[in-house]
Amino acid sequence: DAKTTQPNSMESNEEEPVHLPCNHSTISGTDYIHWYRQLPSQGPEYVIHGLTSNVNNRMASLAIAEDRKSSTLILHRATLRDAAVYYCILRPITSGTYKYIFGTGTRLKVLA
Amino acid sequence: GAGVSQSPRYKVAKRGQDVALRCDPISGHVSLFWYQQALGQGPEFLTYFQNEAQLDKSGLPSDRFFAERPEGSVSTLKIQRTQQEDSAVYLCASSFNRYPTAENEKLFFGSGTQLSVL
Repeated sequence: DAKTTQPNSMESNEEEPVHLPCNHSTISGTDYIHWYRQLPSQGPEYVIHGLTSNVNNRMASLAIAEDRKSSTLILHRATLRDAAVYYCILRPITSGTYKYIFGTGTRLKVLA
Repeated sequence: GAGVSQSPRYKVAKRGQDVALRCDPISGHVSLFWYQQALGQGPEFLTYFQNEAQLDKSGLPSDRFFAERPEGSVSTLKIQRTQQEDSAVYLCASSFNRYPTAENEKLFFGSGTQLSVL
């Protein structure tokens, strides 16, 4: 399985943009990039996913490098409620695998 | 309910005791997953069901762990003769999608059961 690398932790000020990086240099052409986040004492929740093009939804934006070896999750205006562990995960489109490999993620701290 | 429901929320067991953890997925969701999350770590895959069929149990750490989903909805994760190393949060997730496909899948997780083995 292709691996992802994320910083252990990041800090941001409230109402400022946050850019959470993810490196995935061994990504294959059929791997989707998924992001989940886990708020304290909760299970992970879906944030966004993409394949090649940048993606936007109500929660965040996903910027994917042209060579797809890295991606960035962008929170446009961080709030205290965005403090969570963010996981970048690669999902093969058709591999017969059911596993999501979460890794240890990036712990985002939002400062008031 | 609207989301994935897990019970109990907390479970304290004495070493050697058997425990059963329940998961109620979102109605109509075909796929159901169990994950184990140790303190400070990301979730690790245990097993996967498509309806009532257990298609992947490669992540179950030992034969003390057993999962079932007999009618394709509610699932139970059973741990026999619990050990201290079994202490973790056990997460259940469900998805509308059948596998394998990653194009539009989205997992919905419950809040987990925190198991403490003394």
